[in-house]
Amino acid sequence: NAGVTQTPKFRVLKTGQSMTLLCAQDMNHEYMYWYRQDPGMGLRLIHYSVGEGTTAKGEVPDGYNVSRLKKQNFLLGLESAAPSQTSVYFCASSASGYEQYFGPGTRLTVT
Amino acid sequence: AQSVTQLDSQVPVFEEAPVELRCNYSSSVSVYLFWYVQYPNQGLQLLLKYLSGSTLVKGINGFEAEFNKSQTSFHLRKPSVHISDTAEYFCAVSDFNDYKLSFGAGTTVTVRA
Repeated sequence: NAGVTQTPKFRVLKTGQSMTLLCAQDMNHEYMYWYRQDPGMGLRLIHYSVGEGTTAKGEVPDGYNVSRLKKQNFLLGLESAAPSQTSVYFCASSASGYEQYFGPGTRLTVT
Repeated sequence: AQSVTQLDSQVPVFEEAPVELRCNYSSSVSVYLFWYVQYPNQGLQLLLKYLSGSTLVKGINGFEAEFNKSQTSFHLRKPSVHISDTAEYFCAVSDFNDYKLSFGAGTTVTVRA
């Protein structure tokens, strides 16, 4: 039982490049979330999903897109990366929508 | 919408001393409350949660928190800390039926021998 896994763990992008972050969970959870963590700002919700095929915007959605084609996977895309998107990205999943289980994070640097 | 304020950004403490991390929230409805811990270079791990019932909640690793509705607070305490408690701690709140968490900015606890 791996819980929540994230791929990749580290990535360096140049401004304007695109990439996709993959989150996978093996707990059969309905709810999945993408957050970004920046120093002194806690975690801010980017997008979330309340079930397969659904997505919704969080607090800071601009510049990101998401898809949840399969219940166990939640993808976060950056179409044209900007230095302001340098951050640590965390995925989380939940059975209830409240108690959330987090992945180990992806450290992204945009130069 | 809810918001969370963690009143201390950094808390240095000596080993075996007590520690209290303060958290206040604002919300117009009833809430669920959580404390998460993040060890260096790791994801977040749930310490404890308040959903309903007793206002004193016990969690893992000897931590406890008290929900005070009148003061809209959910302070975290541990009577005797260890070096291994060095980490960042996040308070989080969710409104009933909202399915999302709002996090505070975090409190870094550094335990010294």
